[in-house]
Amino acid sequence: GNSVTQMEGPVTLSEEAFLTINCTYTATGYPSLFWYVQYPGEGLQLLLKATKADDKGSNKGFEATYRKETTSFHLEKGSVQVSDSAVYFCALSDRANTGNQFYFGTGTSLTVIP
Amino acid sequence: NAGVTQTPKFRVLKTGQSMTLLCAQDMNHEYMYWYRQDPGMGLRLIHYSVGEGTTAKGEVPDGYNVSRLKKQNFLLGLESAAPSQTSVYFCASSHRGLHSEAFFGQGTRLTVV
Repeated sequence: GNSVTQMEGPVTLSEEAFLTINCTYTATGYPSLFWYVQYPGEGLQLLLKATKADDKGSNKGFEATYRKETTSFHLEKGSVQVSDSAVYFCALSDRANTGNQFYFGTGTSLTVIP
Repeated sequence: NAGVTQTPKFRVLKTGQSMTLLCAQDMNHEYMYWYRQDPGMGLRLIHYSVGEGTTAKGEVPDGYNVSRLKKQNFLLGLESAAPSQTSVYFCASSHRGLHSEAFFGQGTRLTVV
């Protein structure tokens, strides 16, 4: 079946530090992969996505590359800001093979301190 | 752009009471979803719908019912609320395209006492 595993938090970084949040997945087919961000008291917002192997999704300085050989989609940012403090969710969908659901990781909380 | 709108945003229920959460989307999306979010457990799918008049069970459907009478609306009902249903509930919608993402509402914080 489909599943997503992401690194547990919480993660605390100083401003301008490098960020990596690990995400690995299990899927029977060729899923689409997503990173969502949730700010306090809000719903999830799409941060970036990738739809095929070796695609790189990017947005607001965040990047993630779809690695089929390692079944991974790690989120990176070169220099975090206080405003990046949020919970980050990795997710997949595999509509061609297993239907219309999205599968989410458990979320990683990031706090950036000045 | 309204996107996905949930009502109400907050609610306190007594055990045994019933209520309906409303989700409305204005993006003409075919698919709609209800999730609950609990600390340490991420998002868990309650029910979903792939079109008007159709619904399906997700991972944690017990104690909930849903209806999709109109394409733009997806209702989540709690017939007899229990403290275990205290949670934050999120509605989402998605286009039917192969690689489409989900769009989320702002959430409903429900407390059952």
